Amino acid sequence: QQPVQSPQAVILREGEDAVINCSSSKALYSVHWYRQKHGEAPVFLMILLKGGEQKGHDKISASFNEKKQQSSLYLTASQLSYSGTYFCGTEPFKAAGNKLTFGGGTRVLVKP
Amino acid sequence: DVKVTQSSRYLVKRTGEKVFLECVQDMDHENMFWYRQDPGLGLRLIYFSYDVKMKEKGDIPEGYSVSREKKERFSLILESASTNQTSMYLCASSPLIIPLGNQPQHFGDGTRLSIL
Repeated sequence: QQPVQSPQAVILREGEDAVINCSSSKALYSVHWYRQKHGEAPVFLMILLKGGEQKGHDKISASFNEKKQQSSLYLTASQLSYSGTYFCGTEPFKAAGNKLTFGGGTRVLVKP
Repeated sequence: DVKVTQSSRYLVKRTGEKVFLECVQDMDHENMFWYRQDPGLGLRLIYFSYDVKMKEKGDIPEGYSVSREKKERFSLILESASTNQTSMYLCASSPLIIPLGNQPQHFGDGTRLSIL
């Protein structure tokens, strides 16, 4: 089942913060986050595996709630380079082949 | 760095044609994937493969087939192209690490396919 991402789009000024949510109706095995800039391939950001886990990548960080049904991506003090579409990809169980189901994406535009 | 190469960035075909999209990865990854990307729908999995000659259906396999004769190459085939298959197609690969799962997928730049 496809995870639900919110919001669908967000516009920020440089230096502002934003939160992107990824929700599932069932407990997940893991959540992956990717960013895709216009005209480019999606690029891996991070994977979360454990309930309550938090991870950071520069000023982009993410959390996985205790029930493992929701993950949030935090863009802190946003930079122009953060613009793009962010996708969460979820694994419902520990499966062969690393199969992911992606959310619909969140478009982020950071303005000067 | 992992390199996933898709044979064409842009492709225009006619309704009813048989269309081949090719993908090659250079990192000896076991897993390979084909997605289509449409606005608001994210990336939807068409087919994936975790070994040579192995394939499994994803969420939207209808109208598509795949071929994996060599480990580095994964082909997507549109048996009889239709206008509703106009889309961006993305190929990805990932390694198989024991224990299973948890590995990032590496994507190609995509093929924008138009069916007229």
